[in-house]
Amino acid sequence: GESVGLHLPTLSVQEGDNSIINCAYSNSASDYFIWYKQESGKGPQFIIDIRSNMDKRQGQRVTVLLNKTVKHLSLQIAATQPGDSAVYFCAEMPSGGSEKLVFGKGTKLTVNP
Amino acid sequence: NAGVTQTPKFQVLKTGQSMTLQCAQDMNHEYMSWYRQDPGMGLRLIHYSVGAGITDQGEVPNGYNVSRSTTEDFPLRLLSAAPSQTSVYFCASSYKLAGVYEQYFGPGTRLTVT
Repeated sequence: GESVGLHLPTLSVQEGDNSIINCAYSNSASDYFIWYKQESGKGPQFIIDIRSNMDKRQGQRVTVLLNKTVKHLSLQIAATQPGDSAVYFCAEMPSGGSEKLVFGKGTKLTVNP
Repeated sequence: NAGVTQTPKFQVLKTGQSMTLQCAQDMNHEYMSWYRQDPGMGLRLIHYSVGAGITDQGEVPNGYNVSRSTTEDFPLRLLSAAPSQTSVYFCASSYKLAGVYEQYFGPGTRLTVT
């Protein structure tokens, strides 16, 4: 999940395996969470979101799990493909309607063929 | 739709120079934001806007100004560039519909201040 200094956490998986990327968020008042994918040289891209009144949400090949008790978010990618190689960020939005997203530091996923 | 466009793609400035990073979106989104991304870091919010004529500070606003005179454009001004502002800058626009807040990011501007 969280990085230390300048070094991103990394996850290396084999093509076809499932990937789990973790994120610890900081604000217990956050009620909306988003996962982004950022490929090299590009801007982040929205993947999936979840509200705090949910524990789980599924998309196409992706599932987000939210554990509010320990302030933990995870992104599961099924049957990981080489095109999934990227840096993945979680972002949290505090309640109160400010629309200010706070991003985590990211995890670099490498998919080996 | 072109989506979110940013210019320039690359820029080198000397310390003390000023410049404006341009951002435009053609999706009629209410919300626009500027972030900076430093190596090994997530994105940090500089300024944002919830509509034309309305702007607010993010996490790291010092040294930057913004204005939002139209829905489409959200320029970011560096008043007096410093080496600490060397970074990649991303502009984003978003809509909020039925509780979903989906941001679309531009391709980024890579700024180096010497």
